[in-house]
Amino acid sequence: KNEVEQSPQNLTAQEGEFITINCSYSVGISALHWLQQHPGGGIVSLFMLSSGKKKHGRLIATINIQEKHSSLHITASHPRDSAVYICAAPGSTQGGSEKLVFGKGTKLTVNP
Amino acid sequence: NAGVTQTPKFQVLKTGQSMTLQCAQDMNHEYMSWYRQDPGMGLRLIHYSVGAGITDQGEVPNGYNVSRSTTEDFPLRLLSAAPSQTSVYFCASSYGGGRETQYFGPGTRLLVL
Repeated sequence: KNEVEQSPQNLTAQEGEFITINCSYSVGISALHWLQQHPGGGIVSLFMLSSGKKKHGRLIATINIQEKHSSLHITASHPRDSAVYICAAPGSTQGGSEKLVFGKGTKLTVNP
Repeated sequence: NAGVTQTPKFQVLKTGQSMTLQCAQDMNHEYMSWYRQDPGMGLRLIHYSVGAGITDQGEVPNGYNVSRSTTEDFPLRLLSAAPSQTSVYFCASSYGGGRETQYFGPGTRLLVL
């Protein structure tokens, strides 16, 4: 079974700072997901990536398949980026790719 | 497109009561799943379906039933509610499971007294 670990658990930043959230997993995977959940809100998919890097606005996601590690970066952070960021990966490489295993999330607070 | 919808948004139950959480999607996704979210824990899979008529258990299936009679709908039934089922429930759908972009519903907050 895949184990997904995120760090840090909590992160507080000042507006404008560069943010990095890390995710590591134990089993080789074909794709990794980054999700965002605002306080009291629903969950939105930010990225799904299987190699290299993806960018959307101020958000950048990278993945290193060999090291089983992914990072989510936020450039020029803003208070509206305050949310919980969740990493998820398929549960196993043997027929379990339909099931996702989720990290516990990183709570980001960006102060003005 | 409405995306993934869930009803109700909030529900209070007494121990032993039963209820159905509704989930529907209008994107013609084959894969649908139910998760629960508890403080300090990641989302945990309750049940999932890879198509109409096909369901399977996830990580925490006890106390819950599902059925998938149509592609659009995937209701979750609580047979006899227990306080341990107090949680926020999310329904999600995708074209092909864990290798595809996931679309989540807004969630149902359930309190069992």
